[in-house]
Amino acid sequence: GDSVTQMEGPVTLSEEAFLTINCTYTATGYPSLFWYVQYPGEGLQLLLKATKADDKGSNKGFEATYRKETTSFHLEKGSVQVSDSAVYFCALSHWNTGNQFYFGTGTSLTVIP
Amino acid sequence: GAGVSQSPSNKVTEKGKDVELRCDPISGHTALYWYRQSLGQGLEFLIYFQGNSAPDKSGLPSDRFSAERTGGSVSTLTIQRTQQEDSAVYLCASSSMGGHQETQYFGPGTRLLVL
Repeated sequence: GDSVTQMEGPVTLSEEAFLTINCTYTATGYPSLFWYVQYPGEGLQLLLKATKADDKGSNKGFEATYRKETTSFHLEKGSVQVSDSAVYFCALSHWNTGNQFYFGTGTSLTVIP
Repeated sequence: GAGVSQSPSNKVTEKGKDVELRCDPISGHTALYWYRQSLGQGLEFLIYFQGNSAPDKSGLPSDRFSAERTGGSVSTLTIQRTQQEDSAVYLCASSSMGGHQETQYFGPGTRLLVL
């Protein structure tokens, strides 16, 4: 069945470092791909999404490109800030699985000054 | 406008008791989802309501879990005869029409502790 695998954390980076959080998926066809973020003490919220192959989602300096050939949707940011400290979840959804959403286990990011 | 709200925010109960968790989705959203988030785990899908269609209950872990959605709006997740392994954060989300490309809007969650 459909699933998402994302890199395990926790990840600790210094401010202004480059961030990559890997996410790969298993699905037939072309699912929609998402990154959600959960800041400390807050609920999950959408960070970015891409709904077709080669699309790039971007928001708040974060980017992820939907790569069909490698079944990946890696999250990147060129220069992280302390305020980016959060848990990041990769997710997918597809009409052929009844529009259910499948989430990864989450990657905790801590950015230190 | 108002987001997704859940109540209670925290619930402590004794093993064997029943609990009810409530979710108020964003007004006008036809799709509503329940997830469970256990410590160190990702989000586990529980159940999905879409309009007047029969709910997708494929994620419910046992027959002790049930959910209903009244009038296409408020939803209640009920756990009967709670067990310690039911301790988790229960999240509710809604989306406009439930499509696979749509953004889900999450509530703050209910943290359940079964003693």
